[in-house]
Amino acid sequence: EDKVVQSPLSLVVHEGDTVTLNCSYEVTNFRSLLWYKQEKKAPTFLFMLTSSGIEKKSGRLSSILDKKELFSILNITATQTGDSAVYLCAVDRGSTLGRLYFGRGTQLTVWP
Amino acid sequence: NAGVTQTPKFRVLKTGQSMTLLCAQDMNHEYMYWYRQDPGMGLRLIHYSVGEGTTAKGEVPDGYNVSRLKKQNFLLGLESAAPSQTSVYFCASSPLQGHQPQHFGDGTRLSIL
Repeated sequence: EDKVVQSPLSLVVHEGDTVTLNCSYEVTNFRSLLWYKQEKKAPTFLFMLTSSGIEKKSGRLSSILDKKELFSILNITATQTGDSAVYLCAVDRGSTLGRLYFGRGTQLTVWP
Repeated sequence: NAGVTQTPKFRVLKTGQSMTLLCAQDMNHEYMYWYRQDPGMGLRLIHYSVGEGTTAKGEVPDGYNVSRLKKQNFLLGLESAAPSQTSVYFCASSPLQGHQPQHFGDGTRLSIL
């Protein structure tokens, strides 16, 4: 059975801290791994990772994929209260249908 | 720049009632999806469509039906609502070309009493 497991499930930090969110997966026909940020409403796309060892970066957020060990991490440096959200990891199994398999998410709370 | 629009945003139903959730996208995307999100469960795929006139079952299809009569619209129906269908429902779409992320609507919060 395909699995996408995120850890930790919740995390509370103070502004300025650096956090690392984890996503491990066991799926057949892996094609890509995606990270989404979900605040009150729609998940918004952050990164798509297809190649092992290549870091994707956007401002204070960065992510990397390890296809050998089957995991990805999402790093957030110098956290701000606006980073408070649920961070979702999803895996595309590579069918033409574009179906995503989601983890349960990590609830990040950043206190001022 | 609407993207993916879901209506209604909130709804309360009684057990046994029926209703239809509407998803509309203006990005000319081929693929559309309906998910439900429950506390601690992440997003689970209900049904999806790979093009106008085609639909298929996802992970949790029981109790739901869908239709895709027009490319831009994807409807999710509950014929006889049950309390277990209380959830937040998200619609998403993605283009046919290449390898592109899904774009999500803002969700519909549905409570079944």
